[in-house]
Amino acid sequence: GAVVSQHPSWVICKSGTSVKIECRSLDFQATTMFWYRQFPKQSLMLMATSNEGSKATYEQGVEKDKFLINHASLTLSTLTVTSAHPEDSSFYICRVGQAYNEQFFGPGTRLTVL
Amino acid sequence: QKEVEQDPGPLSVPEGAIVSLNCTYSNSAFQYFMWYRQYSRKGPELLMYTYSSGNKEDGRFTAQVDKSSKYISLFIRDSQPSDSATYLCAMRTGANNLFFGTGTRLTVIP
Repeated sequence: GAVVSQHPSWVICKSGTSVKIECRSLDFQATTMFWYRQFPKQSLMLMATSNEGSKATYEQGVEKDKFLINHASLTLSTLTVTSAHPEDSSFYICRVGQAYNEQFFGPGTRLTVL
Repeated sequence: QKEVEQDPGPLSVPEGAIVSLNCTYSNSAFQYFMWYRQYSRKGPELLMYTYSSGNKEDGRFTAQVDKSSKYISLFIRDSQPSDSATYLCAMRTGANNLFFGTGTRLTVIP
């Protein structure tokens, strides 16, 4: 299966700062990448669909100005949490692959906002 | 009502036991059903997938889908300590979005 990496794996930041999370597909050309958020003991919730070369599609209730997504190439998508607050503390995971039997998740990024 | 319901557990079993994990759902349009395994602080890993109703077996793992009851199951035979993880069910229609259960945390005790 495809290898997906995320960087950083863990980040702690102060309230009000911005944090950038990278998702790289190492051996899979991904025109589409998906960003999820997972709070403790809760489901993975889709935040947005990142499209290479065009604007991301956000799920209802997700602020596009707060969660900036850039998909500059077929192997890299970035999620920037702007003006982070403690309630943004969560586990952020990206996914590549669209076929139902080709679903590859990154290892996740744990964000803690103090 | 949530799209997908899954008992969060936790579930503890002795090594060698048969484990049964289940999910129910409400959307009859779901066609694809997946089970993921997620180790602590890691991303989910696709374990099993099935299309529509029926059974699928892969080694010690068996996935069952009963669309008439909107009920899916994952069975793990001869469970091992290395099976200790959180198991998430997920399902989708023909579109891309996956709907996940909350995950069941499993511990297999040596």
